[in-house]
Amino acid sequence: GENVEQHPSTLSVQEGDSAVIKCTYSDSASNYFPWYKQELGKGPQLIIDIRSNVGEKKDQRIAVTLNKTAKHFSLHITETQPEDSAVYFCAAYYNNNDMRFGAGTRLTVKP
Amino acid sequence: DTAVSQTPKYLVTQMGNDKSIKCEQNLGHDTMYWYKQDSKKFLKIMFSYNNKELIINETVPNRFSPKSPDKAHLNLHINSLELGDSAVYFCASSPGHGGSPLHFGNGTRLTVT
Repeated sequence: GENVEQHPSTLSVQEGDSAVIKCTYSDSASNYFPWYKQELGKGPQLIIDIRSNVGEKKDQRIAVTLNKTAKHFSLHITETQPEDSAVYFCAAYYNNNDMRFGAGTRLTVKP
Repeated sequence: DTAVSQTPKYLVTQMGNDKSIKCEQNLGHDTMYWYKQDSKKFLKIMFSYNNKELIINETVPNRFSPKSPDKAHLNLHINSLELGDSAVYFCASSPGHGGSPLHFGNGTRLTVT
């Protein structure tokens, strides 16, 4: 099965700085990689995703890059704001409706 | 309109009891999931159903029994609750084709005393 590793587990940045979270996956058959943001007391919410036929995708301050050869993908948040503080999860879609998650990164943006 | 709704939001019960968590989605999705989130925030898949059919059944004690009466509902029944079952349980749904995003409910915090 798929195994997803995520680093770092915690990340603290100053408001306005960039934040980068990295994930690796084990199964080369995985073809879809979403990122989720979880705020306190809520379920994870999709913020951006990328498919295996694309190397990079950007949505305003958020971007995701994918390196299929190395089997890793990263989330980049620029110009961070206090409201970006949350737990972020990467995930990899394996097959047959099997979505595996990384262990999460707690991001704190200090004003 | 809540897309994926779970009830109850909080559940406090004693060891040995039996309890159920309900989940409903109004997105017309074919696939529904149960995930368990432990105190360290790790999200672990438990079950996946596609059109009422069980697709994924991870290594979960058989005290946990999912039931899908129709494709919009996936309930989770837990027998003989144990302390280690304390966690937040998330229901999710997706269109279920070729890798598509999951839509999560807001979770049910289960506390077993």
